[in-house]
Amino acid sequence: SAVISQKPSRDICQRGTSLTIQCQVDSQVTMMFWYRQQPGQSLTLIATANQGSEATYESGFVIDKFPISRPNLTFSTLTVSNMSPEDSSIYLCSVEGPYRGGYTFGSGTRLTVV
Amino acid sequence: GNSVTQMEGPVTLSEEAFLTINCTYTATGYPSLFWYVQYPGEGLQLLLKATKADDKGSNKGFEATYRKETTSFHLEKGSVQVSDSAVYFCALSEGRNTPLVFGKGTRLSVIA
Repeated sequence: SAVISQKPSRDICQRGTSLTIQCQVDSQVTMMFWYRQQPGQSLTLIATANQGSEATYESGFVIDKFPISRPNLTFSTLTVSNMSPEDSSIYLCSVEGPYRGGYTFGSGTRLTVV
Repeated sequence: GNSVTQMEGPVTLSEEAFLTINCTYTATGYPSLFWYVQYPGEGLQLLLKATKADDKGSNKGFEATYRKETTSFHLEKGSVQVSDSAVYFCALSEGRNTPLVFGKGTRLSVIA
């Protein structure tokens, strides 16, 4: 079954700085998905990352604020840039699998911006 | 676009009570439907899923049936336990290489 290692698990950052979140999958996957879960809210899709091409961002999310890298089929990073307190959320990556029609999630990165 | 609507919480039940959390969806095609659970302080876990009409997903005493005619996927459990206290998310996927679309989540608290 697919296993995702997501790092860091949590961080407290100063406003104006950037944080890069990493997700490593133990098998090759075509798409990786990045979500944000604001406090007490549901999961909102930030972008879809396909290896070898630019990520596709959802409405309300832009590449300058949330740049994504997808250098190979098992790894992706999401950077939260020029952070403000409003960026305080849990960020999660997800892939399809381990079985067709299912999805696995990383354990999440709890970000607090002060 | 695709969307998922689930009942607002929080829901508070006594142990051994019957649970229903309503979920309806809007989709252009024939989506797969999911229930995910998030226990306090933990990550998101798949609870159950159904991939076509009339399929029933089940796990840990929870059940949900894919009803195409009512575009619903309601979650039920006959007898809840304190350990079932969590946030439950209904979600759909249009197919391979597409992301999940989540409902707002329903917080369940079960008291002894």
